[in-house]
Parts: sequence; C-alpha cells; structure tokens
Amino acid sequence: NAGVTQTPKFQVLKTGQSMTLQCAQDMNHEYMSWYRQDPGMGLRLIHYSVGAGITDQGEVPNGYNVSRSTTEDFPLRLLSAAPSQTSVYFCASSYRVDSSPQHFGDGTRLSIL
Amino acid sequence: TQLLEQSPQFLSIQEGENLTVYCNSSSVFSSLQWYRQEPGEGPVLLVTVVTGGEVKKLKRLTFQFGDARKDSSLHITAAQPGDTGLYLCAGENSSASKIIFGSGTRLSIRP
Repeated sequence: NAGVTQTPKFQVLKTGQSMTLQCAQDMNHEYMSWYRQDPGMGLRLIHYSVGAGITDQGEVPNGYNVSRSTTEDFPLRLLSAAPSQTSVYFCASSYRVDSSPQHFGDGTRLSIL
Repeated sequence: TQLLEQSPQFLSIQEGENLTVYCNSSSVFSSLQWYRQEPGEGPVLLVTVVTGGEVKKLKRLTFQFGDARKDSSLHITAAQPGDTGLYLCAGENSSASKIIFGSGTRLSIRP
C-alpha cells in the first residue's frame, strides 16, 4: 500500500521561483491537508480540503495556493518562493476531519536561497 | 485563532523514570490526538481521545482528555530509549473542519 506519497523529497529554489509540491493518496480519503514544520517545531496548517472541489485556508496560507480537482491529489503551489518558506512540508489525509487518524507522507524538504 | 500549547518544550530524563507532558488550549476540541514523530519521518498516530475525562492506555503510555475537552496529558511510565522522539498533540475543530497541531515536546531518554 502506497498510502500518502509526496514528491519531490528534496528541493532547492531561488527566491522568486515558483513550484508545485505534489501529494497523492490511494486510500480514498476525503480530508487532505498541508502542514509546514520548521526546525524543532510543531506543525502549522497551511491549507486543507474536506473533499474534491473544496479547499480552505489554515493558519499560515499566505504565499501558497492549493486545488483539489480529484479525491486522490492535493498539490501545493508556491507562487513566488521566499527564504521564509524554507521548511519541511507534510501532506496528510484521513477519511474525514473528525477523529479519524491522520496519515502523513514522508515530507518534502524545501530550501529557498 | 486556536492555539495548542505543549509543555515542556524539551525533556531529557534517565531511562526508567516517569514523565508527563501536557497539551493545553483555551478552546474546546471535539477530539484530540497524540502523535509521535521521529527524525526524517512524518508523525504517526498514537491515540485519539474523544470524551471529556477519557483515559486511554497504550502499554506504558497513559493519555487523558480533560473534562472540559480543552487539555490533555500524556504520561509515560518507566521511560525507555525507544520512547525518544517529538510528541505532538492535535485538536479537531469540527465546526471549522480542521485539525490544529501543538508546538510539540521533544523527549530524549538517556540510557
């Protein structure tokens, strides 16, 4: 079982560049979300989706866009990368937003120079 | 803005000792989850608590949800080096359809 797959695992960007972090899950989960984790810190919610076609902002949405055209995929777009966006990004999914377990990908380590 | 504060932020203890970490908020949550994260990996779910006052045990780990569903604690008995990791609590806000994570407690168990 693949679970939650994130690509790429590592990426280095220059300030001002744009890119898309990919996230795919094969568990038919309705709820998907993106978090960022800075060194030694917890997770901060960027954007989330309760189902295909529905997205909403989390705690730190500025500088990021998302879309949910299918149940399986939830890409995160950096519009114009800034050094403050250097972080580890985690995608998560679950059956619903309630007490269902969150399944996490292995993360994307992003450095902005 | 909902906040989940975890304490302590760091904890280093000797193998065999007991410890408790806390997760506190001024907001009420529909449920609360505890995760453990190891370096280079995503968090992995340990437990979910749903009912105020609920206590769940997972081997040497005991989790409690506060009566008002605003706080939770994780108690580890006879800590072992394998317990080392980052412990995260996460609260579900069902009305806003989102899950918020706490700041984390980094636990180190010395042999």
